[in-house]
Amino acid sequence: DAGVTQSPTHLIKTRGQQVTLRCSPKSGHDTVSWYQQALGQGPQFIFQYYEEEERQRGNFPDRFSGHQFPNYSSELNVNALLLGDSALYLCASSLRVFPSQETQYFGPGTRLLVL
Amino acid sequence: QKEVEQNSGPLSVPEGAIASLNCTYSDRGSQSFFWYRQYSGKSPELIMFIYSNGDKEDGRFTAQLNKASQYVSLLIRDSQPSDSATYLCAVRGRDDKIIFGKGTRLHILP
Repeated sequence: DAGVTQSPTHLIKTRGQQVTLRCSPKSGHDTVSWYQQALGQGPQFIFQYYEEEERQRGNFPDRFSGHQFPNYSSELNVNALLLGDSALYLCASSLRVFPSQETQYFGPGTRLLVL
Repeated sequence: QKEVEQNSGPLSVPEGAIASLNCTYSDRGSQSFFWYRQYSGKSPELIMFIYSNGDKEDGRFTAQLNKASQYVSLLIRDSQPSDSATYLCAVRGRDDKIIFGKGTRLHILP
């Protein structure tokens, strides 16, 4: 049973560019959440997708957008990259019923470096 | 601004001893509380969650929740060198969003 997968594993971009990160949830999961984790910090919630819609959003600007596909996979897009966007981007999947929603499985992450 | 506070550590504990990790949160309406373990260079993995006052045990791990004091802790019994990692406390607030603390680095001394 494949766990949560993310691609690419590493990425280097320059300021002003755009990036797309991808996530496939654990088999059977229908909810995908995205987090940003800066060095030495805890993960910060970006947004959550369920039934192909953004259900919740954290304190991130509109430069951060996403999408969920019918097969539950998801993309995170970041436009007009800033140096401060350099971080580990984590995708987590879960099943949207209590208490299963409390068990999030994280993918290995995509490490983004903005130069 | 809802917050989850943890001592950054490092917390050094001898092998075989009990490691005690603490976390406080600001949102009194918080619903669920989580402990994750994160090894260096890896992604977080869920240890356990708790949503009722009191203790919840899972193997060598015990989570303790005190909603009146807005305090949640994690005890690790019989600490092993493999327990050396960063431990992240996370809280699901009344708005259903999960907020993580910055984590406590735990070092088990052989």
